[in-house]
Amino acid sequence: GAGVSQSPRYKVAKRGQDVALRCDPISGHVSLFWYQQALGQGPEFLTYFQNEAQLDKSGLPSDRFFAERPEGSVSTLKIQRTQQEDSAVYLCASSSGAGGYTFGSGTRLTVV
Amino acid sequence: DQQVKQNSPSLSVQEGRISILNCDYTNSMFDYFLWYKKYPAEGPTFLISISSIKDKNEDGRFTVFLNKSAKHLSLHIVPSQPGDSAVYFCAASPRRGYGGSQGNLIFGKGTKLSVKP
Repeated sequence: GAGVSQSPRYKVAKRGQDVALRCDPISGHVSLFWYQQALGQGPEFLTYFQNEAQLDKSGLPSDRFFAERPEGSVSTLKIQRTQQEDSAVYLCASSSGAGGYTFGSGTRLTVV
Repeated sequence: DQQVKQNSPSLSVQEGRISILNCDYTNSMFDYFLWYKKYPAEGPTFLISISSIKDKNEDGRFTVFLNKSAKHLSLHIVPSQPGDSAVYFCAASPRRGYGGSQGNLIFGKGTKLSVKP
């Protein structure tokens, strides 16, 4: 597709449940980022991939968060044993290099 | 402590007038600044950027000004249009890296702009 596609758009999880969020970046984009946006806040960096290599995961809030991009295209953000504070919009962005990122529409995760 | 601050959560402007959105930062290592626009239920959309070696960048109705000594940047929209109504995020990058991309961005909390007809 022409843009960054994220699925699902909405996810409701019971506390303790594992979730997997998918990101399809723009074809050919080398760089892929995950951000977390809590209500009323700006996006906060979680992790970065260059092709299949995860070069920076300094923003992942705990070891319950795990991201992968095994073939250098589609990426999955997995959250294990979800907690209420994980409720947020999870944004994926991709970039070919110079210039601004292209963000997806995000996945809104609600943990109940 | 927030490194990128947008102290005005909202701004209301009349159509045709100028909108000025402000952003302050604390980290002198930031060398690239960006503005993103976000509509409800959509991801942020890149609007305009400026490198720390410049003090102004203009693109159509949008101009970004950078005052490095004050660690302040602003986005001017002239003339404002109702379609500009959205949340505007200021973002900063601490380095150029990752093969030429901006690296991970640090965002402010956003300013909600309302342009009234």
